[in-house]
Amino acid sequence: GQNIDQPTEMTATEGAIVQINCTYQTSGFNGLFWYQQHAGEAPTFLSYNVLDGLEEKGRFSSFLSRSKGYSYLLLKELQMKDSASYLCGSMDSNYQLIWGAGTKLIIKP
Amino acid sequence: GAVVSQHPSRVICKSGTSVKIECRSLDFQATTMFWYRQFPKQSLMLMATSNEGSKATYEQGVEKDKFLINHASLTLSTLTVTSAHPEDSSFYICSASERDGYYEQYFGPGTRLTVT
Repeated sequence: GQNIDQPTEMTATEGAIVQINCTYQTSGFNGLFWYQQHAGEAPTFLSYNVLDGLEEKGRFSSFLSRSKGYSYLLLKELQMKDSASYLCGSMDSNYQLIWGAGTKLIIKP
Repeated sequence: GAVVSQHPSRVICKSGTSVKIECRSLDFQATTMFWYRQFPKQSLMLMATSNEGSKATYEQGVEKDKFLINHASLTLSTLTVTSAHPEDSSFYICSASERDGYYEQYFGPGTRLTVT
């Protein structure tokens, strides 16, 4: 079956670095997405990886290892506004996004 | 660019009535649109995928006669919840894809439906 696993909740300190891991098993693979979702709002796009390696975009970076079915989202210089849920989604062979349950990130001062 | 709007943002309706939610891509042509449902503290649940001019593809367990989807143009899709019941109360989110480039989905702001 298809499955996406990510931690339910993480806590980090303002100014620090946090890594949110995601493992996936999908029928075929057409890329790995990370989205940010603040409570009560729709998700917003953060990153897309289809090749192995690290993609850096400002304070956020995303890593992919296709052989391991593994990705992580790295957030640096954490700010209070980064408190949100982070959704990992794997696109399968039918170009359908399979979503993880999301990781709730709590930032403490 | 790549803005998706949804209307209404919030709606309260009585049990037994029908509610229509619109999803529009404002600055691009959306070949494919997706309708999601999200319960509190849960992940997005894909309800259906629609392509312009063709019938929507519903996910297993989603009643196509209850959740009517129309993708009449490349910029508009509608979801009609027919004969709504309190258990239909949820956050409904649409997204749209251009089908080019990253196949990224651009999300609308969501519609909070409350059925009393």
